Amino acid sequence: GENVEQHPSTLSVQEGDSAVIKCTYSDSASNYFPWYKQELGKGPQLIIDIRSNVGEKKDQRIAVTLNKTAKHFSLHITETQPEDSAVYFCAAINTGNQFYFGTGTSLTVIP
Amino acid sequence: GAGVSQSPRYKVAKRGQDVALRCDPISGHVSLFWYQQALGQGPEFLTYFQNEAQLDKSGLPSDRFFAERPEGSVSTLKIQRTQQEDSAVYLCASSLAQGGAEQFFGPGTRLTVL
Repeated sequence: GENVEQHPSTLSVQEGDSAVIKCTYSDSASNYFPWYKQELGKGPQLIIDIRSNVGEKKDQRIAVTLNKTAKHFSLHITETQPEDSAVYFCAAINTGNQFYFGTGTSLTVIP
Repeated sequence: GAGVSQSPRYKVAKRGQDVALRCDPISGHVSLFWYQQALGQGPEFLTYFQNEAQLDKSGLPSDRFFAERPEGSVSTLKIQRTQQEDSAVYLCASSLAQGGAEQFFGPGTRLTVL
């Protein structure tokens, strides 16, 4: 089955700086890679996603890059704000429609 | 707006009790997923429905776990003879289409087994 690894597990940045979270996956058949933000006591919320036929996608301050050959994808948040503080999860979906999540990154943006 | 709702939000059970967790997906969503999220971990896939058909239950940890979606909308996850290791947040998600589509998550049910 798929194995998704996520790094780092915790990340602290100063407000206004950039944050980068990286994930690797093992199943070359995986073709959809979403990123979720989870706040305390809430379910994960999709913030951006990318499909395997695209190398990069951007939405305002958030971007995701995908390297299919190396089987890794990254989340980039620019101009971080305190409200960006949360736990972020990457995921990969395989042909069986199963989502495999990473172990999460706890991001703290220091005002 | 009508998102995914789950009930109860919190459940405390004594070891050995049976519990039933409910998920109301977004109206019209074909696919429904259940996940188990242990403290400090990412969600782990349990099972997947497409309409009323349970297409994948490979993630269910034991035969004490059972899920159903009889009319293709509301789903129930049942855990029989609960054990302490069952303590976790149980998340439900739904998506409009089959496979590779955005999943919308509910707030989860936090189950604590004493």
